[in-house]
Amino acid sequence: QSALTQPASVSGSPGQSITISCTGTSSDVGAYNYVSWYQQHPGKAPKLMIYDVSNRPSGVSTRFSGSKSANTASLTISGLQAEDEADYYCNSFTSSSTLVFGTGTKVTVL
Amino acid sequence: EVHLVESGGGLVKPGESLRLSCAASGFTISNAWMSWVRQAPGKGLEWVVRIRIKNDDGTTYYAAPVNGRFTISRDDSKNTLYLHMNSLKTEDTAVYYCTWMSTVTTFGSWGQGTMVTVSS
Repeated sequence: QSALTQPASVSGSPGQSITISCTGTSSDVGAYNYVSWYQQHPGKAPKLMIYDVSNRPSGVSTRFSGSKSANTASLTISGLQAEDEADYYCNSFTSSSTLVFGTGTKVTVL
Repeated sequence: EVHLVESGGGLVKPGESLRLSCAASGFTISNAWMSWVRQAPGKGLEWVVRIRIKNDDGTTYYAAPVNGRFTISRDDSKNTLYLHMNSLKTEDTAVYYCTWMSTVTTFGSWGQGTMVTVSS
């Protein structure tokens, strides 16, 4: 199972919106609405930000939103803040009942 | 509140074995889905294994790189999950995170991780 494809880096200025893509196949992202997103600050454990494509866990800012079209899922961060600077990973359920992560995206706040 | 504490990491030689522990609190592991996820130094996240413990089902799914070498067990009296790693390879070097799955496909809570280094 190959890793899902994410851009290596995305940047934006404070207050702007950015979108991170996560491209898979018809056997994972395209097949199920089981895409989740995780934020990881350096040296820290990952944190769940979005699950089941577009659901936000309690406590996660409404500035984070998720969507999916065909084999590509997306995470949008609106009103970018300095604290959003981190690595972001998508994850999807697969037709083999396994789970696969994306390659990861480093978000830089300019 | 879900809380997970991993332990058992360390330095081992290729071919050796190691057992990681994940002590859970705030929920009962016998009624949960749980997973292990690892992260090699400077690299991305890699899912390792997912287990359904609910109703004593014990259904387990392994990632291809560890299938046949890694196994899971648990001690309900200690509310602790274990990852038994055999025939370790240098490419198994990583921080290993224990996770509680808030849905069958979502890593809802993470431990702080334990480092495993496989080197001669």
